[in-house]
Amino acid sequence: GQNIDQPTEMTATEGAIVQINCTYQTSGFNGLFWYQQHAGEAPTFLSYNVLDGLEEKGRFSSFLSRSKGYSYLLLKELQMKDSASYLCAARNAGNMLTFGGGTRLMVKP
Amino acid sequence: NAGVTQTPKFRILKIGQSMTLQCTQDMNHNYMYWYRQDPGMGLKLIYYSVGAGITDKGEVPNGYNVSRSTTEDFPLRLELAAPSQTSVYFCASSAGTVETQYFGPGTRLLVL
Repeated sequence: GQNIDQPTEMTATEGAIVQINCTYQTSGFNGLFWYQQHAGEAPTFLSYNVLDGLEEKGRFSSFLSRSKGYSYLLLKELQMKDSASYLCAARNAGNMLTFGGGTRLMVKP
Repeated sequence: NAGVTQTPKFRILKIGQSMTLQCTQDMNHNYMYWYRQDPGMGLKLIYYSVGAGITDKGEVPNGYNVSRSTTEDFPLRLELAAPSQTSVYFCASSAGTVETQYFGPGTRLLVL
């Protein structure tokens, strides 16, 4: 079966750091994706992890622990434009993505 | 480069009506997908295709049909619209089994 859990909402202050957690249970796990989705828009790709460890890409980093079924997305130097939903998605061996419900991040001045 | 395009952007249907949601990609991707996203929820896979002439069911296929006659196009058909099909529909494509999925802008469907 497939199950993805992430917090529904988070609030953070402009300039700060925020960590969005995701736990997953996926048969035939084959990678973990993070997507950003602004209100009323399509999801856009942020990061991909298939091996344990941290992947850094500018202000965004993503971490994966396969043994714990756990990932997080780290956003540094938060900007107002980072207010969006962040979707965690686990891929199985058949390249099918199972999405979590998304974490709505609100960045306040 | 247009990427993934979807039409229409918004549609209101009456219960029992039918319609086709269009999806086209110009990246020569073999894999294409249809998802629906209910308000405040994640995306659920409806159907997917691994190449022209090949389609398969996803997590929530009931009430929908698809076809894939060309690499570029992957239309989604609703035969008898129901209020439960009110949602935002996203089409996506990827180059292969380990590639990122790219999403279209979505179609907002309201069934009354």
